[in-house]
Amino acid sequence: DAGVTQSPTHLIKTRGQQVTLRCSPISGHKSVSWYQQVLGQGPQFIFQYYEKEERGRGNFPDRFSARQFPNYSSELNVNALLLGDSALYLCASSLSGGNPYGYTFGSGTRLTVV
Amino acid sequence: GQQLNQSPQSMFIQEGEDVSMNCTSSSIFNTWLWYKQEPGEGPVLLIALYKAGELTSNGRLTAQFGITRKDSFLNISASIPSDVGIYFCAGQNYGGSQGNLIFGKGTKLSVKP
Repeated sequence: DAGVTQSPTHLIKTRGQQVTLRCSPISGHKSVSWYQQVLGQGPQFIFQYYEKEERGRGNFPDRFSARQFPNYSSELNVNALLLGDSALYLCASSLSGGNPYGYTFGSGTRLTVV
Repeated sequence: GQQLNQSPQSMFIQEGEDVSMNCTSSSIFNTWLWYKQEPGEGPVLLIALYKAGELTSNGRLTAQFGITRKDSFLNISASIPSDVGIYFCAGQNYGGSQGNLIFGKGTKLSVKP
């Protein structure tokens, strides 16, 4: 079975541009979460979606938005990119939003803002 | 954003040695998780702990959920070169339909053959 798939794997954008990152969860998983991992740090929670509804939001500005589709895949959008948005963006899926068994992470999208 | 206090930041050890790392928090969690991340990959779950005082093993890995629910440790016995990577602790308070993870800053492990 395929794991969590993210696309693209790498991306270079210019300051002020907008970016869309995509995630497909493990088959049967209905919850998708997004995390930002800056170099040398642990992942930071951005959003959690379950059954197409936002269930949690981390301390990120409104430039960050996301949505979940009927097939449970998800997109993360970041507007007006800043240099500080350069990071590895991780998607994680789980069976349910309140799943106590942890999450399965994808390999991430490496975003570089220049 | 909030991050857990994880130590040590890095470790350089000889193959065969045992390793210990720990994680503390100012708030309690109902789940503690330990992940390993290798270059170019996302974190992979190693051990999950659900009950205060719980001691759980996964092969050469052993982890404990602190009695206060504010800390956890991970031990790796008889380290081997493939143990190299960054180890993250994560706390979680799950319930209803949500349960985001709060991560530590990681412990980078290097193993010398």
